[in-house]
Amino acid sequence: AAGVIQSPRHLIKEKRETATLKCYPIPRHDTVYWYQQGPGQDPQFLISFYEKMQSDKGSIPDRFSAQQFSDYHSELNMSSLELGDSALYFCASSLVSGSTNEQFFGPGTRLTVL
Amino acid sequence: AQSVTQLDSQVPVFEEAPVELRCNYSSSVSVYLFWYVQYPNQGLQLLLKYLSGSTLVKGINGFEAEFNKSQTSFHLRKPSVHISDTAEYFCAVSDHSSGSARQLTFGSGTQLTVLP
Repeated sequence: AAGVIQSPRHLIKEKRETATLKCYPIPRHDTVYWYQQGPGQDPQFLISFYEKMQSDKGSIPDRFSAQQFSDYHSELNMSSLELGDSALYFCASSLVSGSTNEQFFGPGTRLTVL
Repeated sequence: AQSVTQLDSQVPVFEEAPVELRCNYSSSVSVYLFWYVQYPNQGLQLLLKYLSGSTLVKGINGFEAEFNKSQTSFHLRKPSVHISDTAEYFCAVSDHSSGSARQLTFGSGTQLTVLP
């Protein structure tokens, strides 16, 4: 069965650079979520999109932005990167109309900021 | 708003012994409850979920969990663990709201280490 795809899997950037993370949800899923997991931390919700509109916003810095495109894939754009942005970034997708809110997670993108 | 407390950050247990990973939650509304497992350098895999109905939920890999509304708990259990169960386990909750996206709130995780 198709799963959530994230690219790239690993990314190394310098401080103050920008990064773009991509997420391709499971086909026919209408919702995408982004989470950030710092070293030794639990995943923290950043932002979600439902039917290409922003749905909820969590602890996402102003330096970050995201969007969901017409094909339902999503991109997380991160600017002015800081050392503290080094983390594992997960994307998850779900079918909200299915009403169980079961979220399927991608393998994550490991971002390292030097 | 919801919160999740995982009472044990690390649980060492010998192979073939039973294990219980504890999870308590706090919420002003009804919630869905989940347990996820994360193996080193991998993503999150759903073990089991409680949506409604029977309070005893069975998941993959022989795990089960029991929802206790009065104690606001959702403890994860396995009667006999294997070396391969060594991983980080996260309890999570989301609003019991249909028709809209609801993010997951995670606990801080419990590292289960199965010893030979």
